[in-house]
Amino acid sequence: QKEVEQNSGPLSVPEGAIASLNCTYSDRGSQSFFWYRQYSGKSPELIMFIYSNGDKEDGRFTAQLNKASQYVSLLIRDSQPSDSATYLCAVNESGGFKTIFGAGTRLFVKA
Amino acid sequence: GAVVSQHPSRVICKSGTSVKIECRSLDFQATTMFWYRQFPKQSLMLMATSNEGSKATYEQGVEKDKFLINHASLTLSTLTVASAHPEDSSFYICSAYSGASPFFGPGTRLTVL
Repeated sequence: QKEVEQNSGPLSVPEGAIASLNCTYSDRGSQSFFWYRQYSGKSPELIMFIYSNGDKEDGRFTAQLNKASQYVSLLIRDSQPSDSATYLCAVNESGGFKTIFGAGTRLFVKA
Repeated sequence: GAVVSQHPSRVICKSGTSVKIECRSLDFQATTMFWYRQFPKQSLMLMATSNEGSKATYEQGVEKDKFLINHASLTLSTLTVASAHPEDSSFYICSAYSGASPFFGPGTRLTVL
């Protein structure tokens, strides 16, 4: 059973701080990794994708991938109350387009 | 990003009713679409992979006779919940790939009374 593991949280950070969200996955052959944000009652919204080891930055968001450790993370700089949501880590199964989701980490940014 | 729509956004029905949910890719073609279900405070669980022009592939534990999938065109997949029961009440979400990333529809909240 291929798995994606996340700490369910909640993770609470003050406004302006850096929020760090972590994810591990079991499928060593996975090549595509995604971070989604989901507000309560809404569908997931793609924040970032990453395919290569290292860091990928987009605005306040940085995704980090370490395939050897089977670990992917998301950093949110200058956290805002509007960033409060559940963050889903998603991983594509090796060799295909089937996407497996973690259970999500709830983030609260306190004003 | 790419746009995926779903219709209806919300359904309330009586037990035993069949409910059809549509998923459309609005600005791209999708030979493959995915159907997920999400119960409250849980993550998305993949139900099935919808393939244009061929049979859907169902995940283990998902009843193909209850969750009927039709992918009749490159922009439309439908999920029919046959004879819905209260335990089928959930948030149903479809996704499709545009380029290398999956994009999600807004979801359909099904409540079976």
